[in-house]
Amino acid sequence: EIQLLESGGGLVQPGGSLRLSCVASGFTFNTYSMTWVRQAPGKGLEWVARSGGGGSIDYADSVKGRFTISRDNSKNTLFLQMNSLRAEDTAVFYCAKMRGQRYSSYHFDSWGQGSLVTVAS
Amino acid sequence: QSVLTQPPSVSGAPGQRVIISCTGSSSNIGADSDVHWYQQLPGTAPKLLIFGNNNRPSGVPDRFSGSKSGTSASLAITGLQAEDEADYYCQSYDNSVSNNWLFGGGTKLTVL
Repeated sequence: EIQLLESGGGLVQPGGSLRLSCVASGFTFNTYSMTWVRQAPGKGLEWVARSGGGGSIDYADSVKGRFTISRDNSKNTLFLQMNSLRAEDTAVFYCAKMRGQRYSSYHFDSWGQGSLVTVAS
Repeated sequence: QSVLTQPPSVSGAPGQRVIISCTGSSSNIGADSDVHWYQQLPGTAPKLLIFGNNNRPSGVPDRFSGSKSGTSASLAITGLQAEDEADYYCQSYDNSVSNNWLFGGGTKLTVL
């Protein structure tokens, strides 16, 4: 059974930093792309960043230059370092496993339970 | 405002059929990018419902089906049940921006 367990969320002041972690189990972690998707309170889903199994990385324009995605394949763990946080970054952040043959077919086939990040003074 | 457009809400009585649309453009759905659908029950994480336009993951009832044509896609739910009441999101890939996986704005399904 695939499990994704996020941690690291919490309350942070505007301009502050936070690091999210996602521990994966039940599949060969280093062979899959992993991603972060966020959902602001009462809003829809927004893709944030992707880490490919081979090391490629992609970011949404809304977080580029502020967020850094990384992974430790030896610990089956995905990270999201978030700097220069803004009020509009307040959201539940989901870790998800990606599946697909090419960029245009990628989808998110397993999701964690989410970690709430609140940016407020 | 999402690049993939969904109706904010749809509704239907138990047993009925509902369709949720997802309208994109020539840089995403129309560019032969696959469309996927997710179901999000209240207070829970999203769950993959349809992948690759019309494929169901193991465990998803065949009451759920997807289709794609041109720059649009649809999710059909037949034999509506109370437990289908949820938010539904379409998702695709857009080649007009730097590697961007897009979601529709979401559709709230109410079972009357």
